Amino acid sequence: GQQLNQSPQSMFIQEGEDVSMNCTSSSIFNTWLWYKQDPGEGPVLLIALYKAGELTSNGRLTAQFGITRKDSFLNISASIPSDVGIYFCAGRANFGNEKLTFGTGTRLTIIP
Amino acid sequence: GAGVSQSPRYKVAKRGQDVALRCDPISGHVSLFWYQQALGQGPEFLTYFQNEAQLDKSGLPSDRFFAERPEGSVSTLKIQRTQQEDSAVYLCASSFSQHYNTEAFFGQGTRLTVV
Repeated sequence: GQQLNQSPQSMFIQEGEDVSMNCTSSSIFNTWLWYKQDPGEGPVLLIALYKAGELTSNGRLTAQFGITRKDSFLNISASIPSDVGIYFCAGRANFGNEKLTFGTGTRLTIIP
Repeated sequence: GAGVSQSPRYKVAKRGQDVALRCDPISGHVSLFWYQQALGQGPEFLTYFQNEAQLDKSGLPSDRFFAERPEGSVSTLKIQRTQQEDSAVYLCASSFSQHYNTEAFFGQGTRLTVV
């Protein structure tokens, strides 16, 4: 099935560094979401974006819905150990609570 | 608990065996989704229910996969004659409304291993 292109695939950073990851699609989405998944758990929603150009923050996390509706990025500032995990973007093509198309994931590792 | 509950957490099946995976959504949630997550990949959509109606089953990979939600609450995903490529984590998610900007909560998933 289709998966969105997410980059980078993995990141190795030191505690306190800022992180940036993005997600691109060949088709338009009307909703962009960012999730974090820890081992053995389901994805947990971090940020939801519903309008092209929208910039939304949740604590140290900031995400933007691209103007073209085909991309989104997520920034994490001043990373801490609990930020370790896999981050997924997800897009929804239709207005209405329907299926999500997920990205391939970015694995974040913090080097001590 | 108050979250989406899935059982069993782990299932090992011999190739050719039938399996049934259960999802208990958050009480009162209207929408229910099933996703399949292969190792190292993002979740992929399987099927979607609004109450007891299965509105979208376009992601089910073959006719060996069947999902039901007969009373609009608990849902079961059944896989017949399991094959090795069915090995994955199966995630269930529910949301209280079918309207946009009401996002779903995911369960912990069931890890299926077919040997």
